[in-house]
Amino acid sequence: GAGVSQSPSNKVTEKGKDVELRCDPISGHTALYWYRQSLGQGLEFLIYFQGNSAPDKSGLPSDRFSAERTGGSVSTLTIQRTQQEDSAVYLCASSIPSGGAYEQYFGPGTRLTVT
Amino acid sequence: AQSVTQLGSHVSVSEGALVLLRCNYSSSVPPYLFWYVQYPNQGLQLLLKYTSAATLVKGINGFEAEFKKSETSFHLTKPSAHMSDAAEYFCAVHGSSNTGKLIFGQGTTLQVKP
Repeated sequence: GAGVSQSPSNKVTEKGKDVELRCDPISGHTALYWYRQSLGQGLEFLIYFQGNSAPDKSGLPSDRFSAERTGGSVSTLTIQRTQQEDSAVYLCASSIPSGGAYEQYFGPGTRLTVT
Repeated sequence: AQSVTQLGSHVSVSEGALVLLRCNYSSSVPPYLFWYVQYPNQGLQLLLKYTSAATLVKGINGFEAEFKKSETSFHLTKPSAHMSDAAEYFCAVHGSSNTGKLIFGQGTTLQVKP
């Protein structure tokens, strides 16, 4: 079946512009995660959605970052007033929580470059 | 709080040689542990996971890992390296019993020489 998809695959933007990154999880997966992968920081958790529960936003680095998940499926990560340090690969993952051993399936990522 | 340390950011082996990638974890609760592989310009793919069943876990592509509680380790091994194993490998621990967010190590790049 189809895996996690993300769009765009690459995004170049000017400092100060807003960007939106999209994630389509695997059909039927109730949990959705965003991570950021950068040279200096490695892989960092950003935000988690599970069904209709309040999201876990504990990993968002600043209030310029926000995310939403509409209809329990597609998610959008928005970065406002982008800065050069926002340049990274943004990875989305989805899972079916089962007994606590959450196996996450990752998308190919969006490479964001802020010039 | 949970954390993961991967010893060695780069490991180089010859084709056919043993692969050993080291991972140590810190967890205040019984951990769930994962190894993921990332090929260039791709997302992460799950190799194997430990979920408190058998301590020796077998994964895809001939990889396996052994959970050793006394050593707080979850090292990844493969008896014989292939050129196609060249990639970046990440060890991760389940960071929260409520959300399932993963805490990743810094990654180890595996180079396989012919």
